[in-house]
Amino acid sequence: DAKTTQPTSMDCAEGRAANLPCNHSTISGNEYVYWYRQIHSQGPQYIIHGLKNNETNEMASLIITEDRKSSTLILPHATLRDTAVYYCIVRVARSSGAGSYQLTFGKGTKLSVIP
Amino acid sequence: ETGVTQTPRHLVMGMTNKKSLKCEQHLGHNAMYWYKQSAKKPLELMFVYNFKEQTENNSVPSRFSPECPNSSHLFLHLHTLQPEDSALYLCASSQSLGESYYGYTFGSGTRLTVV
Repeated sequence: DAKTTQPTSMDCAEGRAANLPCNHSTISGNEYVYWYRQIHSQGPQYIIHGLKNNETNEMASLIITEDRKSSTLILPHATLRDTAVYYCIVRVARSSGAGSYQLTFGKGTKLSVIP
Repeated sequence: ETGVTQTPRHLVMGMTNKKSLKCEQHLGHNAMYWYKQSAKKPLELMFVYNFKEQTENNSVPSRFSPECPNSSHLFLHLHTLQPEDSALYLCASSQSLGESYYGYTFGSGTRLTVV
């Protein structure tokens, strides 16, 4: 899986948009960009994923640059419950073979939503 | 609730005890995974099951013994653990083996403390 780079931490005011960047300059053509988050002492939660086009769902929007070397996760109106560690992962949609099923989360970005 | 339920949420056990962690999913997923998350370390994949057959053991010590009686249930049997085994144990599932297109679904985890 391609390596990703994220800022260690970010603050966001409640009600404002949170923009979380991720660099993945070595991404391959068949690798997707996935975002998960982990609220303290809970399991990771899938948020969104994309290949080339921007994507939006009920939780967030994902903006991928044209060269696919970076992306931004946008939480349009951050709430206190969005305080979590956000992980950007790049991997193929369907892996196969021993050693390929690991989701490599890295250290992520700790987002603190401030009242 | 994510659709993946883990019990118990918290467990304290002595080094000579035997205990079991349980994971249950009714999402119709065919692949299930055990992960370990130690303090300040990334998630580590432990075991992979596909249609209740073990497909991967990521060099996990024999004091951890998984069991998958059917595609909906996964157990992790613990015996003679060490204090360094204290961690958050997470269960995850996916539609099919290695399929992450719709994301892996994680449970909330069992916080294990070995004393």
